[in-house]
Amino acid sequence: DAGVIQSPRHEVTEMGQEVTLRCKPISGHNSLFWYRQTMMRGLELLIYFNNNVPIDDSGMPEDRFSAKMPNASFSTLKIQPSEPRDSAVYFCASIPPGVTSGYTFGSGTRLTVV
Amino acid sequence: DAKTTQPPSMDCAEGRAANLPCNHSTISGNEYVYWYRQIHSQGPQYIIHGLKNNETNEMASLIITEDRKSSTLILPHATLRDTAVYYCIVRVAGGNDYKLSFGAGTTVTVRA
Repeated sequence: DAGVIQSPRHEVTEMGQEVTLRCKPISGHNSLFWYRQTMMRGLELLIYFNNNVPIDDSGMPEDRFSAKMPNASFSTLKIQPSEPRDSAVYFCASIPPGVTSGYTFGSGTRLTVV
Repeated sequence: DAKTTQPPSMDCAEGRAANLPCNHSTISGNEYVYWYRQIHSQGPQYIIHGLKNNETNEMASLIITEDRKSSTLILPHATLRDTAVYYCIVRVAGGNDYKLSFGAGTTVTVRA
């Protein structure tokens, strides 16, 4: 089991550019979550999917952020256009069916927008 | 989800037990208590969870008071690698709400 796989590990981009973060959940896990972590705000839930359907996107900060899950094994988080305040570590997590299961988090993508 | 209160930081000696408290006085009957930790620069890691009974696994033990208003995570023999931020979270069981809301947690420093 390779765990939750995120790519890239690090991304440095210029303000105004489009950024796409990728996540491959653990096979058999049917819920996927995107979190953002900053020193100021801690870990914030951005959006989560259940069976590939977005269930709650109330944490997505603004229209510049969008997330998709075209199939059970892949999800993307896109920021367009990126701004310096988007600099953070973005984590993806997944859980299998069953409400008491613990999340498995990926290693994160550290995004720096200059 | 009910809110939790944790001390911002604590130290413990390597090889000794670390007891991490958490208050969740407004917990509902169908809410579980979860513990996660985050080692520097890594994603959060699930440790243990429970509803009302005490739980133990290879990482830790979870003691929940009878009234469920507080709990303690016990790391039986702390090592330097246990230095991390520890999060206590309560979450509703059932339904389609799988969200976890992380607070500030407790920064645990294990000292040699």
